[in-house]
Amino acid sequence: QKEVEQNSGPLSVPEGAIASLNCTYSDRVSQSFFWYRQYSGKSPELIMSIYSNGDKEDGRFTAQLNKASQYVSLLIRDSQPSDSATYLCAVNKVTGSARQLTFGSGTQLTVLP
Amino acid sequence: GAVVSQHPSWVICKSGTSVKIECRSLDFQATTMFWYRQFPKQSLMLMATSNEGSKATYEQGVEKDKFLINHASLTLSTLTVTSAHPEDSSFYICSARNMGDEQFFGPGTRLTVL
Repeated sequence: QKEVEQNSGPLSVPEGAIASLNCTYSDRVSQSFFWYRQYSGKSPELIMSIYSNGDKEDGRFTAQLNKASQYVSLLIRDSQPSDSATYLCAVNKVTGSARQLTFGSGTQLTVLP
Repeated sequence: GAVVSQHPSWVICKSGTSVKIECRSLDFQATTMFWYRQFPKQSLMLMATSNEGSKATYEQGVEKDKFLINHASLTLSTLTVTSAHPEDSSFYICSARNMGDEQFFGPGTRLTVL
């Protein structure tokens, strides 16, 4: 089982629709969860961080975390063509005194005009 | 969000030369920075964790003598690719972690070794 799994897509949604991106993780003690957006040829950009169960909203983005189910998701409302990118789910992995991000393989999202 | 810069953004060099890449956190202090490499259409691969004032921790399979990392201050880490060869051509990206456990990525450095 991969440490962080995402539905690989590709995912296509029409402009104005809600895009739903899902991620599960295997390490039950993980405490920090992040969503990054990566455009082709560019570096990842942090768009959401979430630490507690429930929803966290920021503009058109809502992150949802359910630690009991080891599940984190990202909803993008009113999707725009500029949202077309690869979305990376990342979980902070603690190994001894070290903390580092473990990434999912990414979900490629295309928003169709 | 916090800003991380990288320099240079791209570099072309001859085989056998060394290349230094700088990573700076511009508006926050980062005791820990990370160096990643990414090949086209592939996932990010963590190369090493850079800790201010101490030796870097390298991931398995990454040669520490080839990829020299120095984290001399709370805002600067450098990666030197020594004796670069064409197979080292890649997109190198650094990130810096803030006190809130968030990692912010630099814009990346595209290295081409001829």
